[in-house]
Amino acid sequence: DTAVSQTPKYLVTQMGNDKSIKCEQNLGHDTMYWYKQDSKKFLKIMFSYNNKELIINETVPNRFSPKSPDKAHLNLHINSLELGDSAVYFCASSQGALQTQYFGPGTRLTVL
Amino acid sequence: SQQGEEDPQALSIQEGENATMNCSYKTSINNLQWYRQNSGRGLVHLILIRSNEREKHSGRLRVTLDTSKKSSSLLITASRAADTASYFCATEAQAGTALIFGKGTTLSVSS
Repeated sequence: DTAVSQTPKYLVTQMGNDKSIKCEQNLGHDTMYWYKQDSKKFLKIMFSYNNKELIINETVPNRFSPKSPDKAHLNLHINSLELGDSAVYFCASSQGALQTQYFGPGTRLTVL
Repeated sequence: SQQGEEDPQALSIQEGENATMNCSYKTSINNLQWYRQNSGRGLVHLILIRSNEREKHSGRLRVTLDTSKKSSSLLITASRAADTASYFCATEAQAGTALIFGKGTTLSVSS
């Protein structure tokens, strides 16, 4: 049973396109996150949702828009993709903001 | 925002040796967590240590926390090739609403 799943695993696209990454967790957690990991492995939080409400929105271009249709899902939509958006995006969940986080396998986004 | 900083950035050892990684942080915390990331995978939680704890064990892992020095260490004893991974510490953001990850220590264990 996959606890936190993401689709797609790989995403290759052209600059200027719009793309979405989906995340689902079956752990019953109330908090979900999106992280971006750059080529130097630096993991930076982008968004945090608690019970479908946005809690954290770090300094992220407004081309990135998270959407949480329910507690088990947190999707990430990216408009007008740029070269600098190339990275690995991780979804995670936890029961409470400061507790153990469970990560998805990541989505490697390559913008050409 | 507060961030844990791991040291060293990279560590290479032989199988059977012990590996020690350190993490320093800036402000008071409620807990500190260590995670492992194998190449191409998501992070996996290893240990959570609370601010009132000084040491915690899990199998071959030992974590210490010194709140007076604002530092933590992760010791992996009798390392194996399968321990090759990046190790991250995570501490709280100042607002106390999210974890902030350090840049990680990349551990290579050769057989």
